[in-house]
Amino acid sequence: EPEVTQTPSHQVTQMGQEVILRCVPISNHLYFYWYRQILGQKVEFLVSFYNNEISEKSEIFDDQFSVERPDGSNFTLKIRSTKLEDSAMYFCASSEEAAGGARVDTQYFGPGTRLTVL
Amino acid sequence: AQKITQTQPGMFVQEKEAVTLDCTYDTSDQSYGLFWYKQPSSGEMIFLIYQGSYDEQNATEGRYSLNFQKARKSANLVISASQLGDSAMYFCAMSSQGGSEKLVFGKGTKLTVNP
Repeated sequence: EPEVTQTPSHQVTQMGQEVILRCVPISNHLYFYWYRQILGQKVEFLVSFYNNEISEKSEIFDDQFSVERPDGSNFTLKIRSTKLEDSAMYFCASSEEAAGGARVDTQYFGPGTRLTVL
Repeated sequence: AQKITQTQPGMFVQEKEAVTLDCTYDTSDQSYGLFWYKQPSSGEMIFLIYQGSYDEQNATEGRYSLNFQKARKSANLVISASQLGDSAMYFCAMSSQGGSEKLVFGKGTKLTVNP
């Protein structure tokens, strides 16, 4: 069964460093998302991406964050200068496009990358 | 704005019994979707079941069913014949069809299945 994959599973970094989290969405999906979950808290939306551009972003997704689809399979989240409060589990998700171009509601999540900022 | 409320921080159930996890929602959208995800201790988010706001039948997927009561704005998850492997966090979420693409999540319910 197709699944979303994410690498690395765990990333430890120093405050102020740049990190890139990588995701490979399900191959026929066209909508991509990043969410984060601070330990013990609810899952929060960061950004959605479609047709090679950001389609929606939350207040959390400030200038320190960027996303990119560098090739036909990968989808990345970059945090330019990490802060302690960026420590969280980051989930990539994808959803497919229905006939007629509408977005199918169901989003499939990857296993997550646990980011620890020291 | 959309909001999901899960009022049960923790639930306990005996193996082989059924359990209901509560979820209420608030939205001004006419068309929306409701979801349940399972998060085991390993951390991944596993999609379980989906209900569209215009679906007349309650969704079912194997041992999972979604008890959708539109007038009450509730979307409770029923797990039948609980198994030890069902022990996990369960999150209710909603989407806006045709509007915002994001999923809005509740705070989750931790389910423990006792042998």
